Amino acid sequence: AQSVTQLDSQVPVFEEAPVELRCNYSSSVSVYLFWYVQYPNQGLQLLLKYLSGSTLVKGINGFEAEFNKSQTSFHLRKPSVHISDTAEYFCAVSRPLCGTSYGKLTFGQGTILTVHP
Amino acid sequence: DAGITQSPRHKVTETGTPVTLRCHQTENHRYMYWYRQDPGHGLRLIHYSYGVKDTDKGEVSDGYSVSRSKTEDFLLTLESATSSQTSVYFCAISESKISGGHCEQYFGPGTRLTVT
Repeated sequence: AQSVTQLDSQVPVFEEAPVELRCNYSSSVSVYLFWYVQYPNQGLQLLLKYLSGSTLVKGINGFEAEFNKSQTSFHLRKPSVHISDTAEYFCAVSRPLCGTSYGKLTFGQGTILTVHP
Repeated sequence: DAGITQSPRHKVTETGTPVTLRCHQTENHRYMYWYRQDPGHGLRLIHYSYGVKDTDKGEVSDGYSVSRSKTEDFLLTLESATSSQTSVYFCAISESKISGGHCEQYFGPGTRLTVT
């Protein structure tokens, strides 16, 4: 079984500052990794994903994440945040078995990013 | 945006009453999922479906049942609602292509359920 730990439940930051949201995972097998964003009163939207290949993954809205297998981490970064980035962010992991019932997502607890003017 | 709708969007019900939530998709995706979202727990999988009439339990399935008689509809039923089932419920879909292996899930807008 796999698990995900998001190390910060809340991250306050000022506008135009850089931000890093931390995610560690645990799995005995290789994994796929995802970051989702949830704006207030909305569903989840996929930000980016790591399936294989380059460990630096770029997503929407200027976000990027780096897969570090040795540290079992998948931290999300943005060099300069905007007020509109205020949202809850979820890290998720699945086994790389697409096309079977094993491709279920396991989510972290979420990190609330609040961008202050 | 993926074509996923959930109904109702909000519901208040009393303890002990049955409740059915509906997820409808227009994407013809094979996989469908029901999650519940609670503060401090992220999203937890209740049940999922890998085809018509094929369903399986997730990590928090007690007190819930599901049915999928058509590709486009996935129903979640609380047979006898309890206050601990007050939550926001999300449906998700996935195509999970073997070639290409996308695996990502697309989420509906959610249903806020309050059990009093």
